[in-house]
Amino acid sequence: GQQLNQSPQSMFIQEGEDVSMNCTSSSIFNTWLWYKQDPGEGPVLLIALYKAGELTSNGRLTAQFGITRKDSFLNISASIPSDVGIYFCAGPAPGSQGNLIFGKGTKLSVKP
Amino acid sequence: IAGITQAPTSQILAAGRRMTLRCTQDMRHNAMYWYRQDLGLGLRLIHYSNTAGTTGKGEVPDGYSVSRANTDDFPLTLASAVPSQTSVYFCASSPGPYQPQHFGDGTRLSIL
Repeated sequence: GQQLNQSPQSMFIQEGEDVSMNCTSSSIFNTWLWYKQDPGEGPVLLIALYKAGELTSNGRLTAQFGITRKDSFLNISASIPSDVGIYFCAGPAPGSQGNLIFGKGTKLSVKP
Repeated sequence: IAGITQAPTSQILAAGRRMTLRCTQDMRHNAMYWYRQDLGLGLRLIHYSNTAGTTGKGEVPDGYSVSRANTDDFPLTLASAVPSQTSVYFCASSPGPYQPQHFGDGTRLSIL
């Protein structure tokens, strides 16, 4: 079935560093969503992208909808300890009646 | 605070027992979803409902059933629990299909 490939699977960085992660698909997506999940909690929506080439920011987070519509990128600038968590990309799978499929996540750990 | 409430937060259950996980939302969202989250497999859709009175099967529906008698509630039932259903279960809702979903904090279920 349709899959979203997220990379990297995990990152271990120093506080203050910038972070980049991406998500790719074999199919064209019309929407890309980025979620963050803290330990013991449900995923929380960070950014939603609706148009190819769109660049959207939410504080220190910036996400881009790839021009091919088959990928998306999430950047975090000047990371802080509370950025720790798992970041998921998601989008409505083609022919899915609007149901989302999720990448397997990028686990971010930050050294203080 | 508006959102999604899941109950119970955690449960240990003997194999063969019947169990219903509850999910209630107060955002008047039309669409609701049930996912399971397993290590290394990400979030997988079990069942969904695009509007009250209708339900559909997701990626991993076997062994689970749902009902949607009204807009707010979307219970998930395991008719006869098996150990492979040990997982963290998340309920989500969205205003409609193709729109970003909002998640509850999950139910951690262990089947022994």
